[in-house]
Amino acid sequence: DIVMTQSPSSLAVSAGETVTINCKSSQSLFGSVRQKNYLAWYQQKPGQSPKLLIYLASTRESGVPDRFIGSGSGTDFTLTISSVQAEDLANYYCQQYYDTPPTFGGGTKLELK
Amino acid sequence: EVQLVESGGGLVQPGRSMKLSCAASGFTFSNYGMAWVRQAPTKGLEWVATISYDGSSTYYRDSVKGRFTISRDNAKSTLYLQMNSLRSEDTATYYCTRDLPPFAYWGQGTLVTVSS
Repeated sequence: DIVMTQSPSSLAVSAGETVTINCKSSQSLFGSVRQKNYLAWYQQKPGQSPKLLIYLASTRESGVPDRFIGSGSGTDFTLTISSVQAEDLANYYCQQYYDTPPTFGGGTKLELK
Repeated sequence: EVQLVESGGGLVQPGRSMKLSCAASGFTFSNYGMAWVRQAPTKGLEWVATISYDGSSTYYRDSVKGRFTISRDNAKSTLYLQMNSLRSEDTATYYCTRDLPPFAYWGQGTLVTVSS
């Protein structure tokens, strides 16, 4: 199975700051046929179901604010949240879907100072 | 509007069985692959099983192979997860999701607690 490693596991920030969450995969997620990276990011707020934010490493899902930016390729990926707002308090997960089984990172808990 | 509504969770003793259901609406169910993803209390997300749009192909995580069965009834727009020989480590909220990954639509989840 492809192992997904997220860092940090938790992060405390002030509103308005920019945060970066890292995700590293144990093997490349780049598909040579479509020339895409099969990496997604999800947001899960307390008591809610996960919500898809980003897919194909950098494509924002419809309705997701443009302050959420996905980047990276191969084995190293980043979710950047610019000008964090109170509503962004949540757990964030990366997921690879290059191979079966699809696997998730351990999560990053974003807290506000 | 896409809606996925899970049901069937609850408290069950180790070794017993339970069947989860997921009622889908707002889209043509028979056109989409479906999956179950679970989340143990205070833990991360874990894919459990996937089924193709027509039910002809199924995939499972190793820890549930031979114990869990994913199935679907396209006439009823309903997804199922039959769980046998349940273990304490199966305790989790089980989510129904649409599509092969990435998972764009999720249900609200149903909690399964395996305990004596």
